Amino acid sequence: DVKVTQSSRYLVKRTGEKVFLECVQDMDHENMFWYRQDPGLGLRLIYFSYDVKMKEKGDIPEGYSVSREKKERFSLILESASTNQTSMYLCASSLYGLYEQYFGPGTRLTVT
Amino acid sequence: GQQVMQIPQYQHVQEGEDFTTYCNSSTTLSNIQWYKQRPGGHPVFLIQLVKSGEVKKQKRLTFQFGEAKKNSSLHITATQTTDVGTYFCAGRGSAGNMLTFGGGTRLMVKP
Repeated sequence: DVKVTQSSRYLVKRTGEKVFLECVQDMDHENMFWYRQDPGLGLRLIYFSYDVKMKEKGDIPEGYSVSREKKERFSLILESASTNQTSMYLCASSLYGLYEQYFGPGTRLTVT
Repeated sequence: GQQVMQIPQYQHVQEGEDFTTYCNSSTTLSNIQWYKQRPGGHPVFLIQLVKSGEVKKQKRLTFQFGEAKKNSSLHITATQTTDVGTYFCAGRGSAGNMLTFGGGTRLMVKP
């Protein structure tokens, strides 16, 4: 069974803080993704990575950066958290681009 | 950019009634995937459709991909309380690895 884990289920941070969200998958998947989920807006892609050290911007990359130093780990970084980044963050992985995505449990981030 | 619209946003049904959610893309899709997210859970893959006009069934769930590959639907026959959740479609354009998700349809089933 594919397992995607995220470092925290709930996180509360202050405006201006630097925030790290970590995601680890255990199935040697090539692709990893970061989404944010907001009511009525579905899942919006922030960044994805198709290989170690490779990344591509998704639909809403502003205010975020990512890091993929090892194949199994994909980190999302909020350089200076703002209240409009309060959201549910979901990490996903897939074997290759055309395959189904496996999601982690999500991190609910609140920025105060 | 590519947009994927999904309707309705919410649907309340009585247990035993049928349910359908519709997905429409602004561009032609190479394939479409469907996911289900239970309350408090994360999206779980249900199925992928690739061919124009394709129809696939999973027990009480029927998935269709339109002839023009710009729309899709999910139909649930005789809903049960275990069907409760949000159903998302996600379409992939002709190039690239990205999926564009619809806004989801939240299904609520009254026992």
